[in-house]
Amino acid sequence: KAGVTQTPRYLIKTRGQQVTLSCSPISGHRSVSWYQQTPGQGLQFLFEYFSETQRNKGNFPGRFSGRQFSNSRSEMNVSTLELGDSALYLCASSLLLVTGATDTQYFGPGTRLTVL
Amino acid sequence: EDQVTQSPEALRLQEGESSSLNCSYTVSGLRGLFWYRQDPGKGPEFLFTLYSAGEEKEKERLKATLTKKESFLHITAPKPEDSATYLCAVLAHSGGSNYKLTFGKGTLLTVNP
Repeated sequence: KAGVTQTPRYLIKTRGQQVTLSCSPISGHRSVSWYQQTPGQGLQFLFEYFSETQRNKGNFPGRFSGRQFSNSRSEMNVSTLELGDSALYLCASSLLLVTGATDTQYFGPGTRLTVL
Repeated sequence: EDQVTQSPEALRLQEGESSSLNCSYTVSGLRGLFWYRQDPGKGPEFLFTLYSAGEEKEKERLKATLTKKESFLHITAPKPEDSATYLCAVLAHSGGSNYKLTFGKGTLLTVNP
């Protein structure tokens, strides 16, 4: 079974630009979560989508947004990029992540975003 | 707010020298605790899920245990290929009918030959 895929793997942008990252979950997985990973803060939760609806959101500014399509693929968008947005952005998928269930999240390889 | 603290931040071992990594947590409504391994430049790789205090799971040289306040990842006779960052995460209630995964900052393990 194919794992979680993320594109692009590497991205270089300048301040003020916007960027869109893509994530394809494991086949059959309906929940997609996004995380930002930096050396200082570790893995921080951005948001989670299930059946095209955002179910959960972390403490990030509105410049960070996302969406999920009917085939469970997800995109994440960051507008008006800042230097501090440089990070590894990770996508994870799980079957359901619903109430009472303890679903394992499987991670993709990440997109390394560098903002100059 | 949910908190997950991992210690030590970094650990250097000689090949064959067994040790343990710690993950302590303060959450309400714990549903599960996860251990992941992450190699440089890659996404975290799932290792274990623990659901309740007293539970233990093993995989090769790794053994994870869980109490009501912390989890340990025991590494027996480690090899250089076990070098990686080990991440602990807890799944807990985040309001309404939603649950959220909160990660610790990880322990960087280096095993020297």
